[in-house]
Amino acid sequence: GNSVTQMEGPVTLSEEAFLTINCTYTATGYPSLFWYVQYPGEGLQLLLKATKADDKGSNKGFEATYRKETTSFHLEKGSVQVSDSAVYFCALSDKANAGKSTFGDGTTLTVKP
Amino acid sequence: EAGVVQSPRYKIIEKKQPVAFWCNPISGHNTLYWYRQNLGQGPELLIRYENEEAVDDSQLPKDRFSAERLKGVDSTLKIQPAELGDSAVYLCASSRDRGQETQYFGPGTRLLVL
Repeated sequence: GNSVTQMEGPVTLSEEAFLTINCTYTATGYPSLFWYVQYPGEGLQLLLKATKADDKGSNKGFEATYRKETTSFHLEKGSVQVSDSAVYFCALSDKANAGKSTFGDGTTLTVKP
Repeated sequence: EAGVVQSPRYKIIEKKQPVAFWCNPISGHNTLYWYRQNLGQGPELLIRYENEEAVDDSQLPKDRFSAERLKGVDSTLKIQPAELGDSAVYLCASSRDRGQETQYFGPGTRLLVL
C-alpha cells in the first residue's frame, strides 16, 4: 500500500533560520502531494500542494517540489518565524484510488525568538 | 465561508460506554471524511462518504464503530462500546468532490476513555 515517511521531530530552530523537513513517499502511479499544517489548538489546514512531477507548491514563504525520481516532497523555508511553530504533515492523494489519502506522522517545529 | 464544524470538542467517558461525534461539513462539499489521529501520528482514514454513500469504510472497525450521513450533509460517528484504545482525536474533513483533492479539516474531537 501507499506510505509517507517524514523526518522525525521535534525540530527546534532560532528565528530566521533555514528550515527543511524531509518527506518521502511510496505509491503506485502518480499521486498528488500535500503539506498540511496544524497550529496549536486548531485543525489541519492545507499549506501547499503539487499535483504532478516537477511542480513546485508554495505558500507563506514555504516551498516544496514534487520529485518523482527521488519520490520526495521536502518542505523548505528560507527564514522561519516564531509564528511558524506548528506540526507539519506530509500527505499524498492516490488519484488511482479515488483520491484516498495517506498521511505521515507529522513533524513538530518550534521556533525560538 | 464557515469551516468544518465538529462537536463536542472534548469527551471523557468510561470504557464500555457509547459515544457519538457530530460533523457539519463546509456547505456544498459532497465528500466527507472521518479520521482517527493517535498521539504522535498522522490521521488515519476511518470512512469516506460521497454524498450519503459510504464509498470507503475498509478501515472502520465495524464491530463497534458506525457512521451515517443522512441527506448527504451532516454526519455522525458512533462508538459502542468504547474501549481504552479508542482514546484519540477524531477528525472530520470535507472536500468539494473526490476530484477536489484538497481536504478541509475541522478542529477535531479529543476522546479520552477511562
